[in-house]
Amino acid sequence: KQEVTQIPAALSVPEGENLVLNCSFTDSAIYNLQWFRQDPGKGLTSLLLIQSSQREQTSGRLNASLDKSSGRSTLYIAASQPGDSATYLCAVRGNTPLVFGKGTRLSVIA
Amino acid sequence: GAVVSQHPSRVICKSGTSVKIECRSLDFQATTMFWYRQFPKQSLMLMATSNEGSKATYEQGVEKDKFLINHASLTLSTLTVTSAHPEDSSFYICSAPKGPNQPQHFGDGTRLSIL
Repeated sequence: KQEVTQIPAALSVPEGENLVLNCSFTDSAIYNLQWFRQDPGKGLTSLLLIQSSQREQTSGRLNASLDKSSGRSTLYIAASQPGDSATYLCAVRGNTPLVFGKGTRLSVIA
Repeated sequence: GAVVSQHPSRVICKSGTSVKIECRSLDFQATTMFWYRQFPKQSLMLMATSNEGSKATYEQGVEKDKFLINHASLTLSTLTVTSAHPEDSSFYICSAPKGPNQPQHFGDGTRLSIL
């Protein structure tokens, strides 16, 4: 059974800092990995999708990497802003529908 | 813009009421949709897979008679929480993939509160 773990559970940084969120998964037989953002009481916004054959994806200040063999992904956020404050969820898709981690709650302090 | 629409966004009702939640794919056809439930500060847990034209597939521990799923068209899936009780209070969210290698898109969720 696939299990997804995200570290840290919560993170608070001053505005302008670069930061890294970590995601690990137990079964490396995945089709893709997706990073989402969730604001309080809201749905999920897809940030980046990395196919199993890819090593990384970039969108603006976000960069996600994937090391399938070791079961790890990172989400790098450059020059963080208060508007980046949210919960970031990692999810993997294999033979089952998306399996989610518990997320990292990020607070960027102005 | 949004590609998956979910309605209503918030429901508050008395215990014993049945509540229907709709999930629509806006600009694509979805033969499969997924229903998730999220408790406070917890991750999203898959409840069931909704299949157009056939029965839904429920995850272990999810009562199919309690959570009725209907996927009558390629753009609409509904989840009905029957005879809801306070323990059913949660955040319900639906999802649909545009394709096998496409991002999975989510609705804005429904906050269900049973008094």
